[in-house]
Amino acid sequence: EAGVVQSPRYKIIEKKQPVAFWCNPISGHNTLYWYRQNLGQGPELLIRYENEEAVDDSQLPKDRFSAERLKGVDSTLKIQPAELGDSAVYLCASSQIYGSRGFAEQETQYFGPGTRLLVL
Amino acid sequence: GENVEQHPSTLSVQEGDSAVIKCTYSDSASNYFPWYKQELGKRPQLIIDIRSNVGEKKDQRIAVTLNKTAKHFSLHITETQPEDSAVYFCAANQGGRSQKLVFGQGTRLTINP
Repeated sequence: EAGVVQSPRYKIIEKKQPVAFWCNPISGHNTLYWYRQNLGQGPELLIRYENEEAVDDSQLPKDRFSAERLKGVDSTLKIQPAELGDSAVYLCASSQIYGSRGFAEQETQYFGPGTRLLVL
Repeated sequence: GENVEQHPSTLSVQEGDSAVIKCTYSDSASNYFPWYKQELGKRPQLIIDIRSNVGEKKDQRIAVTLNKTAKHFSLHITETQPEDSAVYFCAANQGGRSQKLVFGQGTRLTINP
């Protein structure tokens, strides 16, 4: 079974430029997560999708970050414009949630390799 | 919201010895506690998890214990090997039924040959 796929693996941009990350979850997984991992810290959730619906985006900086998962499969995360403080690893994860929202048991989240972003 | 504290931040043990990493959480509704291992430049990988209906779970050299009353859980690695060297993260789900994981700050484990 193929794991979570992310691209690009590395990205270097100048501040104020836009950047986009792509994620393809494990086949059949209905839930997709975007995390940001700063150096030496644990992942922090940015946004969670159940199918094509964003059900938790409370920690997404909406002034410059946006995300979409139009067909409930692949997802893109965009930053425009990027700032120096956005340098981090952006991780995508997926899981298969059974049951209705708010009543489903927590299922294992599988992570992709991440995109390492450096903003100069 | 949930807050997860993890310690120590770094741990160095001799090959063959045991390693223990501890985490505390704040949300009494949390009921799922995974542990992830992350090697340098690679993705976090689940090594073991525990749900609140059990107090201990073991998988070969790895075990996790959970104390719901005290709101803490621990990872135990026995007979450590050089390939166990990595950063380990604990996590807890916020709000019980929520699918949101809150991660600890990580523990860099080094196994000395």
